This record gives sequence, structure tokens and C-alpha cells, in this order.
Amino acid sequence: DAKTTQPTSMDCAEGRAANLPCNHSTISGNEYVYWYRQIHSQGPQYIIHGLKNNETNEMASLIITEDRKSSTLILPHATLRDTAVYYCIVSPDSGSARQLTFGSGTQLTVLP
Amino acid sequence: DGGITQSPKYLFRKEGQNVTLSCEQNLNHDAMYWYRQDPGQGLRLIYYSQIVNDFQKGDIAEGYSVSREKKESFPLTVTSAQKNPTAFYLCASRGLTGANVLTFGAGSRLTVL
Repeated sequence: DAKTTQPTSMDCAEGRAANLPCNHSTISGNEYVYWYRQIHSQGPQYIIHGLKNNETNEMASLIITEDRKSSTLILPHATLRDTAVYYCIVSPDSGSARQLTFGSGTQLTVLP
Repeated sequence: DGGITQSPKYLFRKEGQNVTLSCEQNLNHDAMYWYRQDPGQGLRLIYYSQIVNDFQKGDIAEGYSVSREKKESFPLTVTSAQKNPTAFYLCASRGLTGANVLTFGAGSRLTVL
């Protein structure tokens, strides 16, 4: 019972914005949207999370639709080092991270 | 710098042998986690601990054991009972208050010969 749906892979040109979509149509009212990424053979890295408002930090922006059924992670100026698997996860904000389920994610390849 | 250290990075073992993977954190985090990752797959939770001297099974605990005697340390033992132990193992930690933001180690790659 996958809670999120992401494309298997995407390409992006270096210097352009990378827009990674995620569908989470069964999201509950108390669940946040989290994004992590994993560069090949390394541990995952937290990127950003949000509930319903758009969020921005030094790494990325997160746009959540008004009905909260989908979201988009935006890397404004992708570099070759952004090539990684990106995981979209829905989870309550507090409590155990046992509720974080890392599926297969989206393989983003940034092309020179 | 605060972080999580996993060792060894690469490990080879013969069938029938137990092996212990080390995970140490200096983030003062209360909760620690062990995940397994197979090629091209997501992460699967093995064990987790929210406090010293307490831990719970995750989704794939069979053939694994853990201990949590110190807040900083959460070693994982892959026993001979684990049928297919070759995998990439990841340790993570999280503070008990606030968001579900995990900090991960660099991982340990175990190969059974």
C-alpha cells in the first residue's frame, strides 16, 4: 500500500530547474511531505518537508497543492552533484521515524 | 562536526559467520535506526531504538540482533540465520522532539562469499 507515487527516472540539464513530482492522494490531515535524496552508495540526506504551505530552504523549494494530493520538489539550478535518487515520503511530523517509508524514489540525472 | 560514523565501510564474510556493524553518533540523538538496502531498491527498516536499553523490531528483523547500551552506540549483528545478508546497511539517528528528520551514516556494504 504505497502512500506516494513518483516517476522512476527523470533527466535535467545542468543549470536548469529540476522539478520532481510526487502524488500522495491518500495523505492524512496530520501527515507531512518529506523529501530526502541519496547519492549513489551514500546515506540518504534530508532535503525539506512541509504540511500545506510552500517551503524553501538553501537546498530546494517544496510546492504542495492546495488539496495536498500532490507536491513538487524544485531544485532551482541543478548541478551534476544533484544527480541522485529522490525520495518523497508522507509521515506524521512527530513520533517515531519508524513511520518513514523509503520506496524506490526518482532517479534524477543531471546532464552536462 | 557532529554526525554518524559507520564502520567498516566494506566487509566480507563467509557463510555461517556472524558479523557486527558499528554505528556511533555524537549528535546527542535519542533514537537510532538500522536499514537494509538491496540494489535498486528502497530502504527497509531492520531495528530501531528510541531510548537506551530499549529497541524494537522493524519490518525485517529476522536474522539480525542489536543492542543499545549507550546513547551514542547502536551496533547491528548480522547472524548466520540471515538467509541473504549481502546488502548495503545504513544507520540513522533522530532527536525525539521535532520533525522526522533523520541523519544517516555513510553505510556499510556487506558481502557474503
